[in-house]
Amino acid sequence: GAVVSQHPSRVICKSGTSVKIECRSLDFQATTMFWYRQFPKQSLMLMATSNEGSKATYEQGVEKDKFLINHASLTLSTLTVTSAHPEDSSFYICSASRAGGVNQPQHFGDGTRLSIL
Amino acid sequence: AQKITQTQPGMFVQEKEAVTLDCTYDTSDPSYGLFWYKQPSSGEMIFLIYQGSYDQQNATEGRYSLNFQKARKSANLVISASQLGDSAMYFCATTAQGAQKLVFGQGTRLTINP
Repeated sequence: GAVVSQHPSRVICKSGTSVKIECRSLDFQATTMFWYRQFPKQSLMLMATSNEGSKATYEQGVEKDKFLINHASLTLSTLTVTSAHPEDSSFYICSASRAGGVNQPQHFGDGTRLSIL
Repeated sequence: AQKITQTQPGMFVQEKEAVTLDCTYDTSDPSYGLFWYKQPSSGEMIFLIYQGSYDQQNATEGRYSLNFQKARKSANLVISASQLGDSAMYFCATTAQGAQKLVFGQGTRLTINP
């Protein structure tokens, strides 16, 4: 069964709306979670690393004020797309892994398709 | 910086045939992991197989095997006895700089024909 849950699966909203996406690890504690963005027919691009109890680490070129990340517990990270505009429309997907270093696979949520009108 | 290259944008294979999806990587880290994921049209990312840089043997998971050639920096995925349900995007990925975050290749779209 799924080990990472992501909600909602799809959002359609008007320009200027803020949208919150939740990512939960279901059967393990995740001190670190990751948020990726995927445009149609392209690969996944890492946006940020979500760290429990501390600030997220953003990749170069990702606006931290635009994409707010909160990781308040060991099983929940949220991504808020603030004042979303049509160019923010994309597929957002989170991942988490069990402790154990680089040999642990990332388990992904089912993703969120965000469409801004 | 880490880099993954998948040179096959698309592959078409007859059902029940074996298929090899190519992946080459570039990293200066002595310790790294290599992963393959499957992404169906529905979007979820399904973990298939893992190979550690110090593993002596090629990884296998059911019909999936990873042909790891460290000197050539390649980590090709082999799917035996392909099935219609194997049609999807396949991504090769590596861990970066001792961290768990993944760097993905461009992906290969595999289509299995009946």
